Amino acid sequence: DIVMTQTPLSSPVTLGQPASISCRSSQSLVHSNGNTYLNWLQQRPGQPPRLLIYRVSYRFSGVPDRFSGSGAGTDFTLKISRVEAEDVGIYYCMQATQFPLTFGPGTKVDIK
Amino acid sequence: EVQLVESGGGLIQPGGSLRLSCADSGSTVSNNYLIWVRQAPGKGLEWVSLLYTGNNNAHYIDSVKGRFTISRDASTNTFYLQMNSLRVEDTAIYYCTRDRGGWAALVGDWGQGTLVTVSS
Repeated sequence: DIVMTQTPLSSPVTLGQPASISCRSSQSLVHSNGNTYLNWLQQRPGQPPRLLIYRVSYRFSGVPDRFSGSGAGTDFTLKISRVEAEDVGIYYCMQATQFPLTFGPGTKVDIK
Repeated sequence: EVQLVESGGGLIQPGGSLRLSCADSGSTVSNNYLIWVRQAPGKGLEWVSLLYTGNNNAHYIDSVKGRFTISRDASTNTFYLQMNSLRVEDTAIYYCTRDRGGWAALVGDWGQGTLVTVSS
């Protein structure tokens, strides 16, 4: 199974400042078809998860452009350019390159 | 508006069975990836099962193989998770999720979740 790790696990941030979350996979996430299936999800308190970024860097429908994803192979990053109050929650990376699909442990983002 | 609505959760004794349903009112394509993800209380996300409606191929996490079955009723656009031989460790919120336009956005749409509690 592909193990996903995230750092940090907790990230207190100042409103208006940037935030960054790293995700690492135990194996390359490059699929045999050449695509890399790394997603980022946001889960606000008391809400279901929501897809933010798919295939490393593509913003999903309705996602603000302050969210961006980057990376390749086994190392990936989610960046929030300027944190807003509504960004509080837990962020998960998820790989869909190989079964079983696996998630990172989550990174809790809150306001200082 | 995309809407996935789960139902069927509840309190069940170990060894019992439950069937979760997910009514899908938003799909506009004939073939989809239908997925169940669970979240134990205070814990992270865990993928449980996936069904591709194009060929009915199903996949499961090892811990539920032989106990859980994913299926779909195309006539009602509802998909299911039949859960047998339930264990305490199956206690979780179960979310149904579906792709939006293919494998790339595999978990594009989500339901609100239904709570399954396995306890004596």
